[in-house]
Amino acid sequence: RKEVEQDPGPFNVPEGATVAFNCTYSNSASQSFFWYRQDCRKEPKLLMSVYSSGNEDGRFTAQLNRASQYISLLIRDSKLSDSATYLCVVNYGQNFVFGPGTRLSVLP
Amino acid sequence: GAGVSQSPRYKVAKRGQDVALRCDPISGHVSLFWYQQALGQGPEFLTYFQNEAQLDKSGLPSDRFFAERPEGSVSTLKIQRTQQEDSAVYLCASSENWGDYGYTFGSGTRLTVV
Repeated sequence: RKEVEQDPGPFNVPEGATVAFNCTYSNSASQSFFWYRQDCRKEPKLLMSVYSSGNEDGRFTAQLNRASQYISLLIRDSKLSDSATYLCVVNYGQNFVFGPGTRLSVLP
Repeated sequence: GAGVSQSPRYKVAKRGQDVALRCDPISGHVSLFWYQQALGQGPEFLTYFQNEAQLDKSGLPSDRFFAERPEGSVSTLKIQRTQQEDSAVYLCASSENWGDYGYTFGSGTRLTVV
């Protein structure tokens, strides 16, 4: 099993849709979790941290399920500008492991 | 500086050539990571520094790869005798502490080995 796995995508959704991405990780000792977004040919940028209680930032909601070793990202009312690759990141000891990413295209 | 700066932005190397990639982290950031990103894949961990100490180099793919951060600020990733499979974007990221609040990436160096 890979350390961090994500929905393969791509996800093609119309503007205004709600879309959810899933990520699973294999290390039960992991403590830090993040979602990054990466635009084409750009560097990854931190979207949000993921906390045990779940957290929300505007249209974005992140959830963590430690028992199932699973995190999710929900985007409501998607915008064209949300089109990007979304990367799940989990710590393994001192290093941070990225998932392969899920590509989202929001269509007009 | 305002962000993480990497240079060069693009590098074309002939197979067998040595290359050096530079990363200037955000001033005062203790933690520094190097990642390798192949086209269409997520970044792969290479190595991690805390100040000048290289605490984890388990991701370096071979002994041709070497990283240093001698004064705890600027870091250099060196690749000796480059091979075609080394072609990728090399990303540097830094954070104020270990990174439990996320960290900031530079724009990367796109290395093409021909």
